[in-house]
Amino acid sequence: GAVVSQHPSWVICKSGTSVKIECRSLDFQATTMFWYRQFPKQSLMLMATSNEGSKATYEQGVEKDKFLINHASLTLSTLTVTSAHPEDSSFYICSAGGLAGEETQYFGPGTRLLVL
Amino acid sequence: SQQGEEDPQALSIQEGENATMNCSYKTSINNLQWYRQNSGRGLVHLILIRSNEREKHSGRLRVTLDTSKKSSSLLITASRAADTASYFCATDPSSGSARQLTFGSGTQLTVLP
Repeated sequence: GAVVSQHPSWVICKSGTSVKIECRSLDFQATTMFWYRQFPKQSLMLMATSNEGSKATYEQGVEKDKFLINHASLTLSTLTVTSAHPEDSSFYICSAGGLAGEETQYFGPGTRLLVL
Repeated sequence: SQQGEEDPQALSIQEGENATMNCSYKTSINNLQWYRQNSGRGLVHLILIRSNEREKHSGRLRVTLDTSKKSSSLLITASRAADTASYFCATDPSSGSARQLTFGSGTQLTVLP
């Protein structure tokens, strides 16, 4: 089946620094990738839709200058949390679709971010 | 925003018993999907049911969909300790080209050996 990877799997950083998270589709091309955020014991909340070669579409309440998304190729999307603060600590998960004829999205293993 | 709710929020059963989880949603859908998430891990796709389907089976999983009530259920038969995880339903809206999924609140299932 299709595989999506994320890197890093976890990261600890100091408040005020920026953190980049990569999402890669390993064996297929993904024209669209999605970024979700999940707080402990809660559900996934869609943050933004990342489209290859164009600007990302952000959900209401998500600051686009805070969470920079770049989808430079059909296999890579990056999420940069700029000037991270402790309240940005969360589990970030990406997913990718785009397999011809399939409606299923494939999820990455997630990145746990802890901002001190 | 959250599409809907799942109940129960938590479910604890003995190995071998059946587990039933319910999901309700609010808007029209193209399909509804169920995912499993082990603690601190990514999501694993379990099963997809389309809006014109009423029931679907996959191994020990049985999913039903009632579009008139905007609800779905996931039944896991003959549960095993390895089934312990959080289970989420996710709806794929009927409009839009991007496959934006909206997740339910999830059910934490614990299967006791």
